[in-house]
This record gives sequence, structure tokens and C-alpha cells, in this order.
Amino acid sequence: DTEVTQTPKHLVMGMTNKKSLKCEQHMGHRAMYWYKQKAKKPPELMFVYSYEKLSINESVPSRFSPECPNSSLLNLHLHALQPEDSALYLCASSQDRADNSPLHFGNGTRLTVT
Amino acid sequence: AQSVAQPEDQVNVAEGNPLTVKCTYSVSGNPYLFWYVQYPNRGLQFLLKYITGDNLVKGSYGFEAEFNKSQTSFHLKKPSALVSDSALYFCAVRDGAGGFKTIFGAGTRLFVKA
Repeated sequence: DTEVTQTPKHLVMGMTNKKSLKCEQHMGHRAMYWYKQKAKKPPELMFVYSYEKLSINESVPSRFSPECPNSSLLNLHLHALQPEDSALYLCASSQDRADNSPLHFGNGTRLTVT
Repeated sequence: AQSVAQPEDQVNVAEGNPLTVKCTYSVSGNPYLFWYVQYPNRGLQFLLKYITGDNLVKGSYGFEAEFNKSQTSFHLKKPSALVSDSALYFCAVRDGAGGFKTIFGAGTRLFVKA
């Protein structure tokens, strides 16, 4: 079982809907990440929070809006998505920004935009 | 810029035989190398990492990896493959600048046949 919990596991939404993805970790990690993964491809970095502050935004469209309410929680708010945004959205955490710190992933939210 | 290459899209091996999944890297500075595994409908799981020290690194589920500086390779190995090892494997390198980016290879799908 993963130590990073993501909800929901599956989400189907229309292009006019607003929804949120949630992620939680209790490992005391200070860096949290959102990745997008298309089928059989490597994950693509979207956002990084370090000590609850946004550190990296990889030029992600504004229809994706991250939020870090506290050191254990990470949300991704979705609005007016496009069908090409359908993918597996992965949350991850790491102990800190050190180069030897591995990523710990959740099992993802499978998002389908209709 | 840091990069990793996984030259094989797919590796097929019979159960009980040794397996190797190849990875080569290009980094400026010290390499911080990782292997992750992804089972269907799951997130990525950390298997092992090389930071410094012994060239043979042991990880989870009986996997090991051999760091070869002269060949800039970090191949994943297991002496005896199991059907349950069938999954998607990603080699990765941290960006080495104390930042948050992990550069993933394209992934190699491993099929272990009974």
C-alpha cells in the first residue's frame, strides 16, 4: 500500500465542470508534486510545492490550479478542462529537495474529460 | 542538461531466467540515479537509487542495479525473474542542482512469461 493517498481514484467530468483532486501524505515530507501521465509514457511534472509554497509551475494552463493547505495536503482544482487533459494524475512527495531523495507516489486519479 | 535513455521499449524474459533492463544517462556533475516500477493502474514505486559508493546497488523485491561510470549506464537486474515482475520500469535522474526536477526515461515494459 502506498503512503501517499489520492482521491478520487476515478473521475469523469464534462468540460464545463469544476472538480478537485486531493492528495495526502503523513510521512513528514516537505515537498509535494503533481504529475500528469499519459498511457505508457513517463510522468510529466506540473507543479511542485516546497514547505507549502509553490516552487515550480511547468507552464501549466490556468485551468489547472494547485493548492497546498498544509504540509500534508495537496489539491488540484480543475475547471473548464479539455478532452486532451484526460490522463492519470499522480501526486508525489519527497523528504526534501535533496538530489538523493526519492519520490513517493500515490496511485493516481484516472481523469476522463468528456 | 541531464537526460536518461532506455533503449528498449520492451523486454521479454522467461520466468526463472535473469533479467536486465537497460539505462544510460548523461549528466553534468555527480549522477543521482533511480529506478521506479509501475504496475497497471498504480503509481510509480521507488525500487533503488545510486548516489555514491558501491557500484552495485540493491533494492526492493530482489532487484539490483549496476552503476558503470565509464559506460554511463545504470542497468537494472534481477537474477531470477518472476511473472509478477511484469510491469513498466522507469530509469530516472535528479537534476543535480538541488532542485525538484526528476528526469524520467521513456520506460521499458517487462514481460515475464511463465
